Amino acid sequence: GQQLNQSPQSMFIQEGEDVSMNCTSSSIFNTWLWYKQDPGEGPVLLIALYKAGELTSNGRLTAQFGITRKDSFLNISASIPSDVGIYFCAGQPRNNDMRFGAGTRLTVKP
Amino acid sequence: DGGITQSPKYLFRKEGQNVTLSCEQNLNHDAMYWYRQDPGQGLRLIYYSQIVNDFQKGDIAEGYSVSREKKESFPLTVTSAQKNPTAFYLCASSFPGFLGNTIYFGEGSWLTVV
Repeated sequence: GQQLNQSPQSMFIQEGEDVSMNCTSSSIFNTWLWYKQDPGEGPVLLIALYKAGELTSNGRLTAQFGITRKDSFLNISASIPSDVGIYFCAGQPRNNDMRFGAGTRLTVKP
Repeated sequence: DGGITQSPKYLFRKEGQNVTLSCEQNLNHDAMYWYRQDPGQGLRLIYYSQIVNDFQKGDIAEGYSVSREKKESFPLTVTSAQKNPTAFYLCASSFPGFLGNTIYFGEGSWLTVV
């Protein structure tokens, strides 16, 4: 099935820095979702995007649904230690068939 | 509180045994899913169900079985045919439909083969 390419695979940043990660696909997606997963826990939804070009913010997080419908990015501004975790993108090419990226592991150094 | 409950959180299985992971949701979602996550990797779809008494195989269904007798419940059985079952298992649910099909996850279950 369709797979998502998520990058970067990992990031090591200093507290206060901004972060950017993205996902791309060879197929058109109808929905893009961004999740954060803490160790040993289930992913928690951060932002959901449903329309091409849509730009949505959730606190220090901002995500956009690419205009081509084949990509999405997530930005985190002014990172803090609790931002540490694995961030997953997910895209839906058709009903009930969500695909996930491999994740971006974020480490924030105080 | 509304949510998805998985149990047990930790499960140890001897080789050759079948084990069943429970997943219950009270979100009134029609669709439910099971994903497998291996260390450092993304999520792979095992099975999904869009409606009661119906389910479809995902990408890695071999060695697994499911049932969907109730809207709220979607148990996953890891059979002895699954050769490498040690992993983190995530149950999820959503409303079906063209838009707004946002998936919500349970807290996961760790399965270890001993």
